[in-house]
Amino acid sequence: ETGVTQSPTHLIKTRGQQVTLRCSSQSGHNTVSWYQQALGQGPQFIFQYYREEENGRGNFPPRFSGLQFPNYSSELNVNALELDDSALYLCASSLAGRATDTEAFFGQGTRLTVV
Amino acid sequence: GEDVEQSLFLSVREGDSSVINCTYTDSSSTYLYWYKQEPGAGLQLLTYIFSNMDMKQDQRLTVLLNKKDKHLSLRIADTQTGDSAIYFCAESIVGSASKIIFGSGTRLSIRP
Repeated sequence: ETGVTQSPTHLIKTRGQQVTLRCSSQSGHNTVSWYQQALGQGPQFIFQYYREEENGRGNFPPRFSGLQFPNYSSELNVNALELDDSALYLCASSLAGRATDTEAFFGQGTRLTVV
Repeated sequence: GEDVEQSLFLSVREGDSSVINCTYTDSSSTYLYWYKQEPGAGLQLLTYIFSNMDMKQDQRLTVLLNKKDKHLSLRIADTQTGDSAIYFCAESIVGSASKIIFGSGTRLSIRP
């Protein structure tokens, strides 16, 4: 049990729709990252948020966007869904700072299916 | 650039030791991780090592880091059927512990 929770656990959407996935970070963590894990592959870094601002982005188009809230919970939004967006979406939280850089803890993921 | 590579498959006999190898490219990495993923499940952090360490042991798990060669290994002693899973090697970079670069995973299967 990592203390990182994601909702929903499963979701089915139609191509062209929009989706919002949610993540609640471990208590005290100020950094959250989102990952996409397609079937049979390792997780791919989407982006990271630190203190409510985007702090690094992987090779994903702008229709993937995010938010981090003052309580450090986070959302991943995907617009204009495509079939290839079907994947397990994972979030990870950690505590980053000048003197502290803890390891990251993952939630159980949201499995998104686009039909 | 950042890249993590590992072999795709490993098959071992129950009770033997499993050794999963990984190479990485980013010399500024701070944490090097091993994650376990069972079918249909999320990622379970098995163990991690700081990049200034050479070895870490945790019960049946031993992690060895050769920083010069950028080589990381995970040894599982007395491998059991419950160890069947995909094992991901991963690294995170300085000041960004939750920006993690993953390998493609090694599928470990156990023979009776």
